[in-house]
Amino acid sequence: QVQLVQSGAEVKKPGASVSVSCKASGYTFTNYYMHWVRQAPGQGLEWVGIISPSGVITSNTQKFQGRVTMTRDTSTRTVYMELRNLRSEDTAVYYCGRGPGATLTTHADYWGQGTLVTVSS
Amino acid sequence: QSVLTQPPSVSGAPGQRVTISCTGSSSNIGAGYDVHWYQQLPGTAPKLLMYITYNRPSGVPDRFSGSKSGTSASLAITGLQAEDEADYYCQSYDGSLSASVFGGGTRLTVL
Repeated sequence: QVQLVQSGAEVKKPGASVSVSCKASGYTFTNYYMHWVRQAPGQGLEWVGIISPSGVITSNTQKFQGRVTMTRDTSTRTVYMELRNLRSEDTAVYYCGRGPGATLTTHADYWGQGTLVTVSS
Repeated sequence: QSVLTQPPSVSGAPGQRVTISCTGSSSNIGAGYDVHWYQQLPGTAPKLLMYITYNRPSGVPDRFSGSKSGTSASLAITGLQAEDEADYYCQSYDGSLSASVFGGGTRLTVL
């Protein structure tokens, strides 16, 4: 069965960077996009970005202004999302979600369990 | 505020029908980009409920249905059950932003 298992909670100081991983199993890793979505405490969902099967990244540039990078390691079936220059407003649960479609407009059909990133001085 | 607009809350009694709207613009839903819906129970990850307007993933009951017209989309739930109480989010792609976008979410309360 399809599973996405994310790394554990992180506590970071403002200005630091965080990397969240998402390990996939149960499907052909190289055939699917991977979304990253975050949810601040008590707030709605916010799209962070997406990485294509070939590693092309599209991110929410307007919101993150180049602070986010996504990579995928085919050998370990893991996708990584790094967010740099953290601010308190980056405190959120970060989710990965598998994108089954053929374009970056695809939905997310399976989701990881979420990773809480807390930014606090 | 979100690019896609949803009502903050809707409610209905068990057995009733409710609809949740998702209003966009000519750069997202109105441009023909697909609309998807997710259900999120408290403290859990979102779950795909509807994709490409009206397609239900395996396991989603046919009490849930989706539609789209112009710059808006809707999710309808018939035969409301207590287990439907959750937050619901629509998602589409915005060509002007070159980014996927979510609605602000709608909390469904089953009375």
